[in-house]
Formats: sequence, C-alpha cells, structure tokens
Amino acid sequence: DVKVTQSSRYLVKRTGEKVFLECVQDMDHENMFWYRQDPGLGLRLIYFSYDVKMKEKGDIPEGYSVSREKKERFSLILESASTNQTSMYLCASSFTGVRDRGLETQYFGPGTRLLVL
Amino acid sequence: DAKTTQPNSMESNEEEPVHLPCNHSTISGTDYIHWYRQLPSQGPEYVIHGLTSNVNNRMASLAIAEDRKSSTLILHRATLRDAAVYYCILRDVVQFGSSYKLIFGSGTRLLVRP
Repeated sequence: DVKVTQSSRYLVKRTGEKVFLECVQDMDHENMFWYRQDPGLGLRLIYFSYDVKMKEKGDIPEGYSVSREKKERFSLILESASTNQTSMYLCASSFTGVRDRGLETQYFGPGTRLLVL
Repeated sequence: DAKTTQPNSMESNEEEPVHLPCNHSTISGTDYIHWYRQLPSQGPEYVIHGLTSNVNNRMASLAIAEDRKSSTLILHRATLRDAAVYYCILRDVVQFGSSYKLIFGSGTRLLVRP
C-alpha cells in the first residue's frame, strides 16, 4: 500500500515563527503536492514538485516555500507564520504515468492541522 | 478551469444504493472526471475516474452522461463507513513535466443512517 506520512497531526505555533511541515512517501513517486483545506474553500494547491529540486507554484503560494532535496520528502515552509495560515495542510504524491498521462491517482497523507496564534 | 457543481449534502439509509450527482457543463473534450472522497479526519482518497464510458471498480460505479455535462457516482450498498465528503473533480493538466493538479470544490457530504 502507498503510504504518505506527515510529521505532525496537530501543530500550534505563534505569529512570526518559522514553521516546517514534513511529508514523506514510500512509493518512489515523482510528484508531490501541498494543499491547504479550509471550510467553504475546499482544497487549494500551494505548491507541487515533479522531481527532486524542482517545484512549481500552485494557486496560493504566497507566504509559503517548499523544499525537495530527496525524492521521498517534500517540505512546506511558512517563513513567518500568520494567523491566516491557520488551516489543515494536506500532502499528496503520485507517480508519473507514461501511458496514462494525467490520470495518476494522488495519494494523500492524513493532514496536519496548524493553528497559528 | 472547468468547474463542477454538486449538492452540499445527501442522506442515505445503510444498505441502500446512493447516487451522487455532479454537473460539469463546461467540461472540455479531454477532461477526465475523477471522484475522490474524504472520510472524517483523513486525507482524500481516490474512488474512481472516467472519460466517456461508464466505469466500475470495487468501490463504486461512475455513470457519465452522453454529452458528458454531468456524471453520477453510484455506491451500490451504502455502509456507515461510506459517510464522507465526495468530490467530483475534472483533471487539469499542467503543461510542465507530467504533474497535474486536482481542483477540489466543496463536495457533497454524504450522511448514512443506520
């Protein structure tokens, strides 16, 4: 079974702190994603990465950065946490299908619920 | 981006079939229809996907209208474990490498009565 793990289920931080959210997948997937989920807004893509050291901005990258130094690990960084970044953060991964390009299933982790005070 | 419209919530009795509708009137010819669901306190999980023909797998069936402007996810016998938010999603291919993103709407919250 594909497993995507996230470093914390719950996290409480103070405004201005630097926050690291870690995600690890064990299926050798090329693609990894960070989403945030907020009531009434659904899931929104923050960043994704299609290879080691490669990254692309999603729909709401402001206030976030990412790091992918190893294939299995994708980190989301909040450089200076703000209260409007209180949210559920979801990591996902997928392989790159050659024959069925674009149909790759995304596998999600359990999420990290971040509260910024 | 093509959008989908789903009812906010639906209810079903346990052991009965459930039909979850989705409208996507602006779907393009190459958009695939994906369904994911999110159980309480978990990340979303893949359910099924299709392009034009109806699809079946062990979890559900997907019925796609002939004009592709709507689709229906069918759970043949709802169980309490099927209580979740169900998302109907159109694939958005990002023309960079082979990555793509899923655009999640607000989904349909399915309540299953025992």
